[in-house]
Amino acid sequence: DAGVIQSPRHEVTEMGQEVTLRCKPISGHDYLFWYRQTMMRGLELLIYFNNNVPIDDSGMPEDRFSAKMPNASFSTLKIQPSEPRDSAVYFCASSPPHRSTLANYGYTFGSGTRLTVV
Amino acid sequence: SQQGEEDPQALSIQEGENATMNCSYKTSINNLQWYRQNSGRGLVHLILIRSNEREKHSGRLRVTLDTSKKSSSLLITASRAADTASYFCATETGGFKTIFGAGTRLFVKA
Repeated sequence: DAGVIQSPRHEVTEMGQEVTLRCKPISGHDYLFWYRQTMMRGLELLIYFNNNVPIDDSGMPEDRFSAKMPNASFSTLKIQPSEPRDSAVYFCASSPPHRSTLANYGYTFGSGTRLTVV
Repeated sequence: SQQGEEDPQALSIQEGENATMNCSYKTSINNLQWYRQNSGRGLVHLILIRSNEREKHSGRLRVTLDTSKKSSSLLITASRAADTASYFCATETGGFKTIFGAGTRLFVKA
């Protein structure tokens, strides 16, 4: 498996533009997480899905942020309109079924998308 | 808000020495995980310890968990220059929500 795949790796956009980040989780993983990392705030959980359904979006900072998971192999995080304070590295992570009580599981992270809003 | 707080924020040691990082958290957890992040890269899962476990080993890694004190420690023995990275603890609470701490930056001098 190629791991969690995120695109693009880098994105530079102007304030006010729409930005879409993409994530392909590992096949068979039924949990998907979006995190944002900045120097000031560290790693923040934005939203997570289970079986394509959003479970907790309390970390989404504003209505400008939205996330979807139309199927088990694809998720998007959209920012519209973007602002300079949205500049950060956005990570997607996936996890195998949590009902496994014996396996030593962890989350597999993608390489991240570095977003710069100017 | 962050659930886990790592201590120290930064640690510099010589190759071959042991490195100990601590993590404190606030609420009940299902499990606690440790991750490593090399500069500019994604996080890599190192080890998971469940709330009913007290100690776990994986290679040169030793993790302890004290649920009464809501704290955990990560020990890296015989450190190597390649261990230079940031280390994060992550606590999974009810509903499988996982929150990361601010991290400890480890620098191992060759």
